[in-house]
Amino acid sequence: EVQLVESGGGLIQPGGSLRLSCAASGFTVSSNYMSWVRQAPGKGLEWVSVIYSGSSTYYADSVKGRFTISRDSSKNTLYLQMNSLRAEDTAMYYCARGEHRTNSWYFDLWGRGTLVTVSS
Amino acid sequence: SSELTQDPAVSVALGQTVRITCQGDSLRNFYASWYQQKPGQAPALVIYGKNNRPSGIPDRFSGSSSGNTASLTITGAQAEDEADYYCNSRDSSGNAYVFGAGTKVTVL
Repeated sequence: EVQLVESGGGLIQPGGSLRLSCAASGFTVSSNYMSWVRQAPGKGLEWVSVIYSGSSTYYADSVKGRFTISRDSSKNTLYLQMNSLRAEDTAMYYCARGEHRTNSWYFDLWGRGTLVTVSS
Repeated sequence: SSELTQDPAVSVALGQTVRITCQGDSLRNFYASWYQQKPGQAPALVIYGKNNRPSGIPDRFSGSSSGNTASLTITGAQAEDEADYYCNSRDSSGNAYVFGAGTKVTVL
């Protein structure tokens, strides 16, 4: 079955660190571009980061310098290392698989998410 | 970065047609993709590219684009279409992505 399963969320104090994982099955994470998308409680979707098949990475301004996206091909898993966490990072974090066609880039597979709560 | 603008909410009578729009400069260069999100669920892709539906998405969902505006149309809205809908595109730099703020669709 083709799926994404996130893990690693939890309650963390401000200034702390957390690493999220996204285990993929049914396809190879390194063959697609992969993203993290988050959703604060009661709010809309916010794109966080992307890693392309060639290993280039990009980040939203809100997390640049604090978050790092990576992948492990041997484990077929995507990661998001989150440092210097702030209350405003509290959100459900989804990983998503990217696909593209001419002038069209989209996320065709999503995980169910893992909840990160930053609070003292 | 760039922004995508959506109307916060729209309503539609059961069986009628509703159009949701998404405006942004990046849409002049990239097609939008559209996602449906129901309460407590992860987002799901409903339209991508010029007007493509993933397997399993009903043909009452369609997409179009003109200039800096992308549209999602639901023709013959059903009760199960009540959800939040988000547009997404690569941003103006072409490296990152951006979501619209979402449109809540209520089926009356």
